[in-house]
Amino acid sequence: EAGVTQSPTHLIKTRGQQVTLRCSPISGHTSVYWYQQALGLGLQFLLWYDEGEERNRGNFPPRFSGRQFPNYSSELNVNALELEDSALYLCASSDGTSDVKNIQYFGAGTRLSVL
Amino acid sequence: GQQVMQIPQYQHVQEGEDFTTYCNSSTTLSNIQWYKQRPGGHPVFLIQLVKSGEVKKQKRLTFQFGEAKKNSSLHITATQTTDVGTYFCAGYTGKLIFGQGTTLQVKP
Repeated sequence: EAGVTQSPTHLIKTRGQQVTLRCSPISGHTSVYWYQQALGLGLQFLLWYDEGEERNRGNFPPRFSGRQFPNYSSELNVNALELEDSALYLCASSDGTSDVKNIQYFGAGTRLSVL
Repeated sequence: GQQVMQIPQYQHVQEGEDFTTYCNSSTTLSNIQWYKQRPGGHPVFLIQLVKSGEVKKQKRLTFQFGEAKKNSSLHITATQTTDVGTYFCAGYTGKLIFGQGTTLQVKP
């Protein structure tokens, strides 16, 4: 069974540019989560999508946005990139949101560098 | 809002020493999960605890869930260099909230 896949693996952008990151969840998983992990820091929750809807959003500015497609894959868009957006962006998926079925499986991440 | 606090932030141990990381939630949890992130890697699910007072073991790792379902601990006995990484707890109450993680360094 394929795990969570993310693309691209690495990305270099300049300030002010826009970027789109992509995530394919594990087959059968309907929930997708996005996290930002700056170097040496913890996981900062960005967005949660389930069944095509945005369920929750972390404390990030509106230039961070995303969507989930009917096949449950997801995109994260970041507009007007700033230097501090340089980080590892992790996507995770889960097969449910019940009290037990909410384990998250992470992809390898996209390493974004903003110059 | 709901918070999950994890201590310590960093821990350096000599190989063979024990290691413990602690997790505390501001609210009662439905379950608690533990993840490990190796250097340069991504978080990988280790275990989920659901019941009050639950204790689970995975080889040298012992996981506990408090009686009040608001705290948890991960204890590693006789650390090895392969234990290096960051250990995250994550508490669930309708959404999963990650702690800040404890980064473990093991000196051979």
